[in-house]
Amino acid sequence: GESVGLHLPTLSVQEGDNSIINCAYSNSASDYFIWYKQESGKGPQFIIDIRSNMDKRQGQRVTVLLNKTVKHLSLQIAATQPGDSAVYFCAENTSGTYKYIFGTGTRLKVLA
Amino acid sequence: DVKVTQSSRYLVKRTGEKVFLECVQDMDHENMFWYRQDPGLGLRLIYFSYDVKMKEKGDIPEGYSVSREKKERFSLILESASTNQTSMYLCASTLGLGYGYTFGSGTRLTVV
Repeated sequence: GESVGLHLPTLSVQEGDNSIINCAYSNSASDYFIWYKQESGKGPQFIIDIRSNMDKRQGQRVTVLLNKTVKHLSLQIAATQPGDSAVYFCAENTSGTYKYIFGTGTRLKVLA
Repeated sequence: DVKVTQSSRYLVKRTGEKVFLECVQDMDHENMFWYRQDPGLGLRLIYFSYDVKMKEKGDIPEGYSVSREKKERFSLILESASTNQTSMYLCASTLGLGYGYTFGSGTRLTVV
C-alpha cells in the first residue's frame, strides 16, 4: 500500500457518527484555506475552502470552521461513511502568492 | 470534468538515470506546480510555473529541473536520480491567484 500516511495521527469514528478533523495553521497572514482529501494511491482532492472574511462555510455533509484568533481550522463531516476513509489535510495561502503551505494530515478511519 | 494527468503511476529507476515525469492539464490553467510528498513531511514544493517558459524554484529545487514548453504540459526532470528522490510526486494546476489546486493522481517513483 501507499506509505504517505505512515506517521499520521489517526481518527477512528463509527459509521454514521460525525467527524471533526483539526488543523493548526502557521502563518497569521494566510487568508485562504482549503481542505483536501487523499485516498490511498490517489492525488489530493478538493473538499471545501474558506476565506478569512468568513468563520464558517458549509458544503454537502462538510463544514469548515475558521478561528483566526488561534489560527485554527477544522473540518466537520456529518454522518461519516466508509467512503470518507482517507487522509485529510489543510492548506493555507496568502493573497497574492501562488504558494500553499500544507499540513501533514490526519488519517480518518471509519469503523463499520 | 477537469483533469490533471500524470503519465505514470509507478516508476522504478536506477541511481544516476535521467528521469522525466510528465504532467498535462486540460483546463487552460496558467499555473502549474510540482510537489513531492513524503511521510511526516507533507507536500513540499519543488518548482512551479506561472506561464509558458517561465519557472520558479520552490522550497526544494535541488536535484530537479522543469520544462514548460506548452501551456498544458509541465515536466519535472531528475537530472541524475538518487535514492533520496524516492517519493510520491504530485503535479497540480490552478486557474490563478486565490484559487485552489487541482492535483493529478501522483507518480510513485522508486530509485534503486
